[in-house]
Amino acid sequence: SQKIEQNSEALNIQEGKTATLTCNYTNYSPAYLQWYRQDPGRGPVFLLLIRENEKEKRKERLKVTFDTTLKQSLFHITASQPADSATYLCALSGGGNTPLVFGKGTRLSVIA
Amino acid sequence: GAGVSQSPSNKVTEKGKDVELRCDPISGHTALYWYRQSLGQGLEFLIYFQGNSAPDKSGLPSDRFSAERTGGSVSTLTIQRTQQEDSAVYLCASSPQLRVDTQYFGPGTRLTVL
Repeated sequence: SQKIEQNSEALNIQEGKTATLTCNYTNYSPAYLQWYRQDPGRGPVFLLLIRENEKEKRKERLKVTFDTTLKQSLFHITASQPADSATYLCALSGGGNTPLVFGKGTRLSVIA
Repeated sequence: GAGVSQSPSNKVTEKGKDVELRCDPISGHTALYWYRQSLGQGLEFLIYFQGNSAPDKSGLPSDRFSAERTGGSVSTLTIQRTQQEDSAVYLCASSPQLRVDTQYFGPGTRLTVL
């Protein structure tokens, strides 16, 4: 069965450092992958989308990589700030009419 | 502009009662999705609509769950004869079309079944 794993349930990092979150998947061939941010008591908010034929995507301090051979995506936040503290979710889709499948998320805490 | 709204924000009900959860998507979005998020768990896909049609209902956990969408806009998720295991946050999302698109989420409805 399809499986999506986000490397750890929680990650603590010092302010100013780069946070790296991992999303691995098995038994799946996604057409694209998305990363969302979720704050407590709120719905997820879209951050970045990367397609299967793209290696890397950047947006301000965020960078996403997508390796379909390793079946892995890395999500980086450079120069992390306490305001970046949240749960980050990866989501995969086979494209077309297939809905997104979400990982359980990684709770990031940036410590000042 | 207005985002996705959901009501109620919180619902406490007794086991065995029926509940209705409402979702107002972003105006003009043709695709609408329902998810469930239990404590410490990821988002569990329940059902999606393209317009008023729900092509795939296989994500609904049991026949106690049903959903409808009218006028290509508002959607209602109904849970009949609620059980304690139905307690979760129910999230609704919409997107312009059912394809490679960002999903815009509402704030969710927190359902507690006593």
